[in-house]
Amino acid sequence: DAKTTQPPSMDCAEGRAANLPCNHSTISGNEYVYWYRQIHSQGPQYIIHGLKNNETNEMASLIITEDRKSSTLILPHATLRDTAVYYCIVRSGLGNSGGSNYKLTFGKGTLLTVNP
Amino acid sequence: GAGVSQTPSNKVTEKGKYVELRCDPISGHTALYWYRQSLGQGPEFLIYFQGTGAADDSGLPNDRFFAVRPEGSVSTLKIQRTERGDSAVYLCASSPNRVNYNEQFFGPGTRLTVL
Repeated sequence: DAKTTQPPSMDCAEGRAANLPCNHSTISGNEYVYWYRQIHSQGPQYIIHGLKNNETNEMASLIITEDRKSSTLILPHATLRDTAVYYCIVRSGLGNSGGSNYKLTFGKGTLLTVNP
Repeated sequence: GAGVSQTPSNKVTEKGKYVELRCDPISGHTALYWYRQSLGQGPEFLIYFQGTGAADDSGLPNDRFFAVRPEGSVSTLKIQRTERGDSAVYLCASSPNRVNYNEQFFGPGTRLTVL
């Protein structure tokens, strides 16, 4: 799976949008971008994933550049409860029998601190 | 509904002892995963079960680590002759079936401390 690069930490004011960047310049055509987050002392939690189109759900939006070499996770109105480590993960697609696409390979992620 | 549960939440043991960590996945989830998370690091894959069988145990660090899932539901991670370096949070996750890996549901983890 492709390697990802994220800033180690970011700050955001409560109520503002939090934009978390991720570089994945070696991503291949069948690899998806996944985002998970981990609140202190809890297990990771799935947020969103995408292949090449922008995606939105009730938690966040995912913007993937046209060349797919980077992406941004957007939390539109950050709250104090969004303080967590956010992991950007690249993983091969479902049905790719040649790959271990069930694994999640976590890096160190970005610690997002939402300030009051 | 109930999420993934793990017991115990904390385990303190002495070097050289044997420990068992239990994971109860979400009912009906056929895929189960174990990860290990050291302080300041992201979780690291250990083993993946599809049903009762270990489909991939390539992440187990050595033969002191073993995991079972005899009835395709509850799983136990077993560590023999524990070492101080085994201290970490052990996370379990499950997902619905072998074709839906998109979302893995994680438990709260078991914090293992080896003295």
